Amino acid sequence: GEQVEQLPSILRVQEGSSASINCTYENSASNYFPWYKQEPGENPKLIIDIRSNMERKQTQGLIVLLDKKAKRFSLHITDTQPGDSAMYFCAASPITGNTGKLIFGLGTTLQVQP
Amino acid sequence: DTTVKQNPRYKLARVGKPVNLICSQTMNHDTMYWYQKKPNQAPKLLLFYYDKILNREADTFEKFQSSRPNNSFCSLYIGSAGLEYSAMYLCASSRGTGTTGQLYFGEGSKLTVL
Repeated sequence: GEQVEQLPSILRVQEGSSASINCTYENSASNYFPWYKQEPGENPKLIIDIRSNMERKQTQGLIVLLDKKAKRFSLHITDTQPGDSAMYFCAASPITGNTGKLIFGLGTTLQVQP
Repeated sequence: DTTVKQNPRYKLARVGKPVNLICSQTMNHDTMYWYQKKPNQAPKLLLFYYDKILNREADTFEKFQSSRPNNSFCSLYIGSAGLEYSAMYLCASSRGTGTTGQLYFGEGSKLTVL
């Protein structure tokens, strides 16, 4: 299978707190896991990604973790701000190795409340 | 310029009529993709071009056609629109295939079939 499950579908947090989004994938040969942020009326934009040779990656308040054994990866946003409010999609690249052939999760609507 | 442009942004079509959506990028990317996004569903890959080679997903093989007259342009063609084609269509491009190509998305073309 090539499904990617993403939870939660809606996440409400207070400004300044952290937010976590979790994804699981089925294909154990998946090797590339990007995260996209989509703001209303705009196109999805890559915010961070991780490859299968890593377990953790951090950039500008974003942390992604990858647990290949559990086939699970997650996005953690520290110190959330209202500008972080958006739809977030996780994705996994299956066995073909083509990072364009991404299998997306259903998305998480993050609402950061002031 | 890292933008991917899509035209039209909004398209209204009658059942049974053809629909042609256009995508362009000036990043000299050799791979261009079309995804379909319906409400409460994950973006679904329909097809992609690597250079001049078209790859269509098995379950959408007969429903969508595409052409890529040059490196910068890629179209998505629906010969006879049905109600089930109503969706957002996202074009994306990347440099190369394999685990190197970050996807850049366009803003989408919202198709409504009546």
